[in-house]
Amino acid sequence: ETGVTQSPTHLIKTRGQQVTLRCSSQSGHNTVSWYQQALGQGPQFIFQYYREEENGRGNFPPRFSGLQFPNYSSELNVNALELDDSALYLCASSYNRGRSSPLHFGNGTRLTVT
Amino acid sequence: SQELEQSPQSLIVQEGKNLTINCTSSKTLYGLYWYKQKYGEGLIFLMMLQKGGEEKSHEKITAKLDEKKQQSSLHITASQPSHAGIYLCGADLASGYALNFGKGTSLLVTP
Repeated sequence: ETGVTQSPTHLIKTRGQQVTLRCSSQSGHNTVSWYQQALGQGPQFIFQYYREEENGRGNFPPRFSGLQFPNYSSELNVNALELDDSALYLCASSYNRGRSSPLHFGNGTRLTVT
Repeated sequence: SQELEQSPQSLIVQEGKNLTINCTSSKTLYGLYWYKQKYGEGLIFLMMLQKGGEEKSHEKITAKLDEKKQQSSLHITASQPSHAGIYLCGADLASGYALNFGKGTSLLVTP
């Protein structure tokens, strides 16, 4: 069983640029969630996708957007990068949406904005 | 303010000692999850607790949920260097889809 994989592992961008992060969900999982983790903090919920539709969104501006594809893989796009966007971005998949399906996380993408 | 508070923030214990990490919520808990994170890596799922009074164990790690007190504890028995890392509690605080996380407890186990 393949776990959640994310690419790239590290990325350095300049303020104002755009970035796309990718995530392949664990086999059999139809729900993908994205989290942002700043240094020394717990992960913060960005949004969740269930069967290609956005199922919920956290307190992040519209320049954070996402997609989920028919194979349940997902992308996170961030436009007009700001210095505060520097963080570890974590993708998690689950068997289904809802509380009874635990999230399984990938190893994350470390984004540095200079 | 932080909706999930973890204590202690950090912990250094000698190998073989027992330890407890606490997670307290300011809101009603609808499911409580414990994860372990190695520095700079992803979160590894440990346990999920959904009912008040529920207790689960995996190897030397036991987690309990006290729903009335809106808190959970994670207990490690006879700690080993492999237990080192950051332990995070996450909870659904009513959204049904998002987890709120504590800031984590950093554990170091010394020989």
